[in-house]
Amino acid sequence: GAGVSQSPSNKVTEKGKDVELRCDPISGHTALYWYRQSLGQGLEFLIYFQGNSAPDKSGLPSDRFSAERTGGSVSTLTIQRTQQEDSAVYLCASSPAALTPTGQETQYFGPGTRLLVL
Amino acid sequence: GQQLNQSPQSMFIQEGEDVSMNCTSSSIFNTWLWYKQDPGEGPVLLIALYKAGELTSNGRLTAQFGITRKDSFLNISASIPSDVGIYFCAGQNLPSGGGADGLTFGKGTHLIIQP
Repeated sequence: GAGVSQSPSNKVTEKGKDVELRCDPISGHTALYWYRQSLGQGLEFLIYFQGNSAPDKSGLPSDRFSAERTGGSVSTLTIQRTQQEDSAVYLCASSPAALTPTGQETQYFGPGTRLLVL
Repeated sequence: GQQLNQSPQSMFIQEGEDVSMNCTSSSIFNTWLWYKQDPGEGPVLLIALYKAGELTSNGRLTAQFGITRKDSFLNISASIPSDVGIYFCAGQNLPSGGGADGLTFGKGTHLIIQP
């Protein structure tokens, strides 16, 4: 199908290593979101992109987290010097537009990347 | 930041029973959403609510956007085995001047159906 895809689906890494997570949004969707879901917790908003720009990065947990989006399409979330508390499912979502007057836009989620930091 | 309180945390019910869950917030949202998440999958939107007082149905699902804009409930009638999963409420605000557009999620209601 033409849904949101994420890769890798699972990632096991050692503490201190860097990891890069990828999100391919639905074609034509201008807005892209990253969320983190920790075990037993709800989803925590990290960052969103409108086109290639990220107006608000305040949701990123620390300066070890960064994200970029190129060509208004693919986005990567990078975690440097991973820590065990970074272990979580990282979910990406996309929507046709972020700032519609009526707010009637739907976010479509990918299956997530399950990150385990040993 | 904004907090959503979702309850109950889990529900154990018999097949065929009706289910009710709700979310409350300390602050106002102008959009309420209900998602379902199956194991190993991302959340899937069930119902979106855009107006205070709005009552919306989607098959056996019914959700309402509270008048105060600080709460919402989701009802599932005549539950079936495939309703098993984790249900999340989410609130969203779209500020007229732009800004963060991310959803604020509740911690989920884990629905377990006993045959």
